[in-house]
Amino acid sequence: QVQLQQSGPRLVKPSQTLSLTCAISGDSVSSKSAAWNWIRQSPSRGLEWLGRTYYRSKWSNDYAVSVKSRITINPDTSKNQFSLQLNSVTPEDTAVYFCARLVGDTVDYWGQGTLVTVSS
Amino acid sequence: QSVLTQPPSASGTPGQRVTISCSGSSSNIGRDTVKWYQQLPGTAPKLLIYVNNQRPSGVPERFSGSKSGTSASLAISGLQSEDEADYYCAAWDGSLNGYVFGTGTKVTVL
Repeated sequence: QVQLQQSGPRLVKPSQTLSLTCAISGDSVSSKSAAWNWIRQSPSRGLEWLGRTYYRSKWSNDYAVSVKSRITINPDTSKNQFSLQLNSVTPEDTAVYFCARLVGDTVDYWGQGTLVTVSS
Repeated sequence: QSVLTQPPSASGTPGQRVTISCSGSSSNIGRDTVKWYQQLPGTAPKLLIYVNNQRPSGVPERFSGSKSGTSASLAISGLQSEDEADYYCAAWDGSLNGYVFGTGTKVTVL
């Protein structure tokens, strides 16, 4: 059974960096059949896929156009986890953030979600 | 922001059949399989249907999915009170190179 456990600050000041971590159990961040994703949800934007990291013969990332200039998703093989960094946040980035596993073309397992508020 | 279009609400009495539609385009539903998720308040979405009409282990048979062209639908037969939730469709979009979601449908059991 795959489990994803999120951690990170719930309050971030405008213009600063939002950072979250997702610890994986029951699978490996280096799996050649999975990709590790961040998704957020807000009343104004609904469910929004932000990006993914995955390993095949090398590490690769894909990012949503809406956040591409501000986002970094990194794997940490030593801790079997992956992270999200979103720079230069504004109140529009206030949302519930989820980490999730993608296998094939299906997101099947989700983290518990973290409400991150951007406010001074 | 959502790429796939769903009706905002649907309702039925216990035991009734409810269907939810999901409209997309040739770059997402037209070329990829459709997934459906159920989200209860305060929780993460739960995978309900994958590959258009397949149910993961543990999902009741009253949930079924179908796809035709650039549209898909989710049916709930024999509606139960615990089915009251938000439902989202999803697919991979080849043009955006990303996972896209529907606008969501709130199902109310009357």
